[in-house]
Amino acid sequence: NAGVTQTPKFQVLKTGQSMTLQCAQDMNHNSMYWYRQDPGMGLRLIYYSASEGTTDKGEVPNGYNVSRLNKREFSLRLESAAPSQTSVYFCASSQYRTGNHEQFFGPGTRLTVL
Amino acid sequence: AQSVTQLGSHVSVSEGALVLLRCNYSSSVPPYLFWYVQYPNQGLQLLLKYTSAATLVKGINGFEAEFKKSETSFHLTKPSAHMSDAAEYFCAVRGSGTSYDKVIFGPGTSLSVIP
Repeated sequence: NAGVTQTPKFQVLKTGQSMTLQCAQDMNHNSMYWYRQDPGMGLRLIYYSASEGTTDKGEVPNGYNVSRLNKREFSLRLESAAPSQTSVYFCASSQYRTGNHEQFFGPGTRLTVL
Repeated sequence: AQSVTQLGSHVSVSEGALVLLRCNYSSSVPPYLFWYVQYPNQGLQLLLKYTSAATLVKGINGFEAEFKKSETSFHLTKPSAHMSDAAEYFCAVRGSGTSYDKVIFGPGTSLSVIP
């Protein structure tokens, strides 16, 4: 049972380049989330998906797009990277419909935009 | 809207001393509250959660937290700090209404344990 996996673990981009962060979970969870973590700011929600086929904006969606490819996979795309997007990105999943709101996190992707 | 504040962005304790990390919340509905821990270069993992049952909640690694409605607090404690407790700790509250399926995180408290 791998839980939540993310690829890549590290990435360096130049301003204007694009990339996709991949996330997959094997816990059969309905909900999936993308966060960014910056020093002193905790985790901020970028996008989330309550179920397969649905996505919604979170607190800081500008500059990002997402795709809920199927129940397992939820990807985050940066179309034109900016230095302000330098951050650590975490994917998470949960099964809140059962009343359990615990979120399970992946190991993170450290992204640097030069 | 739900929100969380954590007093002290950094806390240092001696090994064997009491750990106290403070969390206050704001919620328009009965809250679900969480403490997560993040070890260096890892993702977050759940320490404990309060879901309107017992007000004193026990978690993993000897941590516990007490829900106090009158103080809107959910402070995290551990009687005796261990070196392995050095990590970042996040308090969080479940969203409400259209944000029911989301969790709002506090800014985090970094715990250092001095030998």
